[in-house]
Amino acid sequence: EAQVTQNPRYLITVTGKKLTVTCSQNMNHEYMSWYRQDPGLGLRQIYYSMNVEVTDKGDVPEGYKVSRKEKRNFPLILESPSPNQTSLYFCASSLYSGGSSYNSPLHFGNGTRLTVT
Amino acid sequence: AQTVTQSQPEMSVQEAETVTLSCTYDTSESDYYLFWYKQPPSRQMILVIRQEAYKQQNATENRFSVNFQKAAKSFSLKISDSQLGDAAMYFCAYRSVDNNDMRFGAGTRLTVKP
Repeated sequence: EAQVTQNPRYLITVTGKKLTVTCSQNMNHEYMSWYRQDPGLGLRQIYYSMNVEVTDKGDVPEGYKVSRKEKRNFPLILESPSPNQTSLYFCASSLYSGGSSYNSPLHFGNGTRLTVT
Repeated sequence: AQTVTQSQPEMSVQEAETVTLSCTYDTSESDYYLFWYKQPPSRQMILVIRQEAYKQQNATENRFSVNFQKAAKSFSLKISDSQLGDAAMYFCAYRSVDNNDMRFGAGTRLTVKP
């Protein structure tokens, strides 16, 4: 089954304790992205990646890191989480090869509810 | 940068009736893509419908259709014959051709009354 697998689904942690949210897709998609969803703000992009070893900042990258060593994986790293990073996080992927693939919709993971106390 | 505005934080509709959710966007690009996503309480993000900006014909998917007004930069979603399962948060999204960037509106929470 084609899917984006995101783990964990729920995570409660304390300020300053490094954590990683994993994301993996099995659709051979070039493009992967991380979003955070907050009430009244919709989804805001944190980082995105056009392909292996190519990553770039989105609108709210502060406090986050990513890596894209393999095409299928795109982990989100919080080196020193703070309470303002409490949010619902989504990983997403899509085709990206130019031309008509721009209308390729994003395929989303099931989300990670992160609480930082 | 492109922005997407959903001016209706909440909407409600009677079962079997029709409802329209509004979305406007701001861009200087001539080619782009627009999407509506549905997020039920399970929080899964589900694609509802998509529209290519270069196509004048409005997209339709069963009970879901859009009214795309390129000059007005408007992209509303019409849900006909509303069902209880349509209750969800709906997000309008814009995708740039230049950088593949996708931007979302703040969302509209739709309630369906039996």
